[in-house]
Amino acid sequence: GQNIDQPTEMTATEGAIVQINCTYQTSGFNGLFWYQQHAGEAPTFLSYNVLDGLEEKGRFSSFLSRSKGYSYLLLKELQMKDSASYLCAVMDSNYQLIWGAGTKLIIKP
Amino acid sequence: NAGVTQTPKFQVLKTGQSMTLQCAQDMNHEYMSWYRQDPGMGLRLIHYSVGAGITDQGEVPNGYNVSRSTTEDFPLRLLSAAPSQTSVYFCASSYQASYSGANVLTFGAGSRLTVL
Repeated sequence: GQNIDQPTEMTATEGAIVQINCTYQTSGFNGLFWYQQHAGEAPTFLSYNVLDGLEEKGRFSSFLSRSKGYSYLLLKELQMKDSASYLCAVMDSNYQLIWGAGTKLIIKP
Repeated sequence: NAGVTQTPKFQVLKTGQSMTLQCAQDMNHEYMSWYRQDPGMGLRLIHYSVGAGITDQGEVPNGYNVSRSTTEDFPLRLLSAAPSQTSVYFCASSYQASYSGANVLTFGAGSRLTVL
């Protein structure tokens, strides 16, 4: 079966760095997405990786290793507004998105 | 530019009742979809459409119907509500059809449905 694994919850301190991991087993691979979802709100797009390596976008970076079925989202200089759930999703060979359950990130002052 | 508009935001139904969740987008997106989000689970695809007049089933289609008569609108119908359909529903759209890797979704604000 297809599976996306990410930690349920993480806690970090304001101003620090946090890495949220995502491992996947899917039927084929056509890209990996990270979305941010604040409580009670809609998911919003953060990043897309289809080739191995690091994609940097401001304070957020996303890394992909296709051979290991692994990605991480790196958040630097954490701010209180970064408290949210982070969703990892993989597009499989049928171009369908398979979603992880999300990682709830709690930022403490 | 309103993006993706979902209504209603909250709804309480009794078992057996029917209702329609409305979804409209003003971005001329070809692809539209409906997801449900339940605690501890990833988003699950209910139905999707790659263009007007074309719909297809997702992972969890039972108990739901959709239609796509225009590019803008993609309503989701619950035929006979059951407590198992208590969930948060999201409509999402994208510019490209799903047959593309870089298919970034724009989500509506969500509809919280409770079935008693």
